This record gives sequence, C-alpha cells and structure tokens, in this order.
Amino acid sequence: GAVVSQHPSWVICKSGTSVKIECRSLDFQATTMFWYRQFPKQSLMLMATSNEGSKATYEQGVEKDKFLINHASLTLSTLTVTSAHPEDSSFYICSAQAGYLYEQYFGPGTRLTVT
Amino acid sequence: GQQLNQSPQSMFIQEGEDVSMNCTSSSIFNTWLWYKQDPGEGPVLLIALYKAGELTSNGRLTAQFGITRKDSFLNISASIPSDVGIYFCAGQDSGNTPLVFGKGTRLSVIA
Repeated sequence: GAVVSQHPSWVICKSGTSVKIECRSLDFQATTMFWYRQFPKQSLMLMATSNEGSKATYEQGVEKDKFLINHASLTLSTLTVTSAHPEDSSFYICSAQAGYLYEQYFGPGTRLTVT
Repeated sequence: GQQLNQSPQSMFIQEGEDVSMNCTSSSIFNTWLWYKQDPGEGPVLLIALYKAGELTSNGRLTAQFGITRKDSFLNISASIPSDVGIYFCAGQDSGNTPLVFGKGTRLSVIA
C-alpha cells in the first residue's frame, strides 16, 4: 500500500516551453501533496504544499507563476514548469499524505532537462 | 527556520559492520522519519517514530526518537551491499505539515 507514482519519469524540453509533471496516489486519498526539487548530491528542497481543492502554498523564493501547481482531486496533483530555462533542470519529487496518517510517501521523481 | 543537522555526511564501511547515524534539531518535532534514497529514485520510508523515547525496529534497522524530541538516530546492523544509498532523517511538526529534511548520510558498503 501507499504507492505514489509520477509521470513522466524523465523529460527533455527546449528552453521556453512548458512541462507538466503528474503525481498520483494510487491506493490512498491524499489530502495534501508536496512538491520538492533536488539538485545533485543535495537534500530535498520543499517548493510548495498543495491541499486538494485549494491554492498551493509556496515556499519563499519559489515563483508561483513559474511553477504552477494544481491539486484537483484527492489522487492527483500536477506541477507545470512554465517557460522553462536550463536552470530549471533538476530532479522533481512529489510526496503525498493522507489526512489521518503522519507518513509522507514519495513518488519516484521526474528528471527534467531543459536544453 | 527549522534545521536538522545530520551526521555523518558520508560513511565507508565493510560489509557486515554496524552503522549508526543521527540527526539533531534546534527545535522540537512531534514525528521523526527516516528515508533511504537510491540514485535517480524517490525517498523510501524506512521507519516512522511518533513518541519521545520510542525505539522501533524494521528488520536490521533500528531507530529511536530522542526523549527531548530534538534528536533521533538510525542504526543498521550487519550491513550488506544493498544498504548503499543516501539516508535522510526528517522531522515533522504535526499532521500534514511539510517535512524538514537533514542533508543526508551517504553510505558506501565495501564487500
């Protein structure tokens, strides 16, 4: 149980285009999902917290107009990187948490490369 | 903001040896979690701790929630090659609040 999937697992896009990453909780309902990015050999950096049906809460320094987050259902959250630039290249990881549980379960991550 | 100090940063050990790593915090957490991350993958939950003083095992892994609620340790006994990876501690205040992560301990096991 407690499986979280991400799609795609990797994506290469050209500078200036937009990329959408999906995060799904497969066997539980996630009232809260979190989006992280991770640079090589570093820890996870929280980007935003997303509660189903409401606007995401972004961490300081994260541009909400650039990283659009939609948590439209209890099993799906999406992160759209708009007008991507090479510096947006990173490993993006989501996690999901059910309202009554304390554990966060992570997706397998999405490797984004912007050329 | 809250920060976790995780040590050591990296470890090189012989197969069969025991491993210990720990995290300390300047503030209290109500939940401590330990994750393992393999290259190119998301973190996988190893152990979750909910009560101060709690000692929990998961196979060869043992973790404890410090009684001050400001620290936790993870022990791995009789290490094997597949234990290689990065181990992260994480603290959580409550409910659905974000996790605060340590910087990770990179474990290498020499066969």
